[in-house]
Amino acid sequence: SAVISQKPSRDICQRGTSLTIQCQVDSQVTMMFWYRQQPGQSLTLIATANQGSEATYESGFVIDKFPISRPNLTFSTLTVSNMSPEDSSIYLCSVGDRGYIQYFGAGTRLSVL
Amino acid sequence: GIQVEQSPPDLILQEGANSTLRCNFSDSVNNLQWFHQNPWGQLINLFYIPSGTKQNGRLSATTVATERYSLLYISSSQTTDSGVYFCAVESGGSNYKLTFGKGTLLTVNP
Repeated sequence: SAVISQKPSRDICQRGTSLTIQCQVDSQVTMMFWYRQQPGQSLTLIATANQGSEATYESGFVIDKFPISRPNLTFSTLTVSNMSPEDSSIYLCSVGDRGYIQYFGAGTRLSVL
Repeated sequence: GIQVEQSPPDLILQEGANSTLRCNFSDSVNNLQWFHQNPWGQLINLFYIPSGTKQNGRLSATTVATERYSLLYISSSQTTDSGVYFCAVESGGSNYKLTFGKGTLLTVNP
């Protein structure tokens, strides 16, 4: 299984600021995804991070709010921009190869004051 | 899109008891995974089981794809089994994206 490192593990931020979350994998993977888990809720897919091209966003999520980069097959970043308290969530990256198991990073716990 | 329903939403057990968690899904799936989310938020893969039966220690899972449900069995539960259990599925045409159920919150008391 892939080993996924996600940074930071947690952060407390002021409203109006931005936070960039990093996801590093120990091997090249085809698929990388970013999820959000609001307090007490299930996971919701934000976007698919595409290597070398713009991310594919799910309904309700936009690039201006959640810009994503994926410069290569082992690394991706998610930025949460112009944060408000409603953005307080756990953000998780996942990786997988087509048709097979997806693995998740440990997540980033974000609190916005 | 595909709908995923998990039951029960909450479950409280005494240590040593057995339990069955259920996942119903509304369409055929290419991928079905069971996860355990520990108190620190880490999602731990339990099973990749789009069909058939698998066992891993005290845990086992069965997916009946034709009837669109999956079951997760936990035997001789331990306090460390506490947490949220999620079922997630990937349906055809979804570009490998997982849709999660709302989870089952399991509490195992000593």
